[in-house]
Amino acid sequence: SAVISQKPSRDICQRGTSLTIQCQVDSQVTMMFWYRQQPGQSLTLIATANQGSEATYESGFVIDKFPISRPNLTFSTLTVSNMSPEDSSIYLCSVVSGYTFGSGTRLTVV
Amino acid sequence: QKEVEQNSGPLSVPEGAIASLNCTYSDRGSQSFFWYRQYSGKSPELIMFIYSNGDKEDGRFTAQLNKASQYVSLLIRDSQPSDSATYLCAVFLFGNEKLTFGTGTRLTIIP
Repeated sequence: SAVISQKPSRDICQRGTSLTIQCQVDSQVTMMFWYRQQPGQSLTLIATANQGSEATYESGFVIDKFPISRPNLTFSTLTVSNMSPEDSSIYLCSVVSGYTFGSGTRLTVV
Repeated sequence: QKEVEQNSGPLSVPEGAIASLNCTYSDRGSQSFFWYRQYSGKSPELIMFIYSNGDKEDGRFTAQLNKASQYVSLLIRDSQPSDSATYLCAVFLFGNEKLTFGTGTRLTIIP
């Protein structure tokens, strides 16, 4: 199974600012997935990131708000843009290889 | 109708007993089924997955799948306090290549 390093583990941000979350995988993977887990809720898929192509966003999520980069087969970033308190959540990346998750980023927007 | 449904609990089970967690799904094309354990403040951890009808055992855990009834369950034998967590059911569609999660069942093992 792939091992994923995710950072930052947590952050407190001012509204209106942006935060970029990074995920590094220890092996090459074609797809990486970004999820959001709001307090007390289950996981909701934000987008699927393929290397060399635009990310595919789920209903309710848009590229301007959650831009994603996938520069190679082991790395991806998710940016949460123009943040509001409603963006306070845990953000997780995942890969199909082993169906494993990164350790998560706990974001609090104040 | 939600795509993946779980009883949110909380489910309380005495230590040493069998904990039974249930999940139903709506898409008959679903092909693989996953159980994750999530401790508070941690990311989900894969317990096991199943894709054929019947039972699949791994240590104290048994996954059961009934595609005709669109039902998958997880049994935890000899429950331990360390099993107290939220258990997430997820389904996978080949071609779709993504997991859809249920809302999770919070399990508490009572010493």
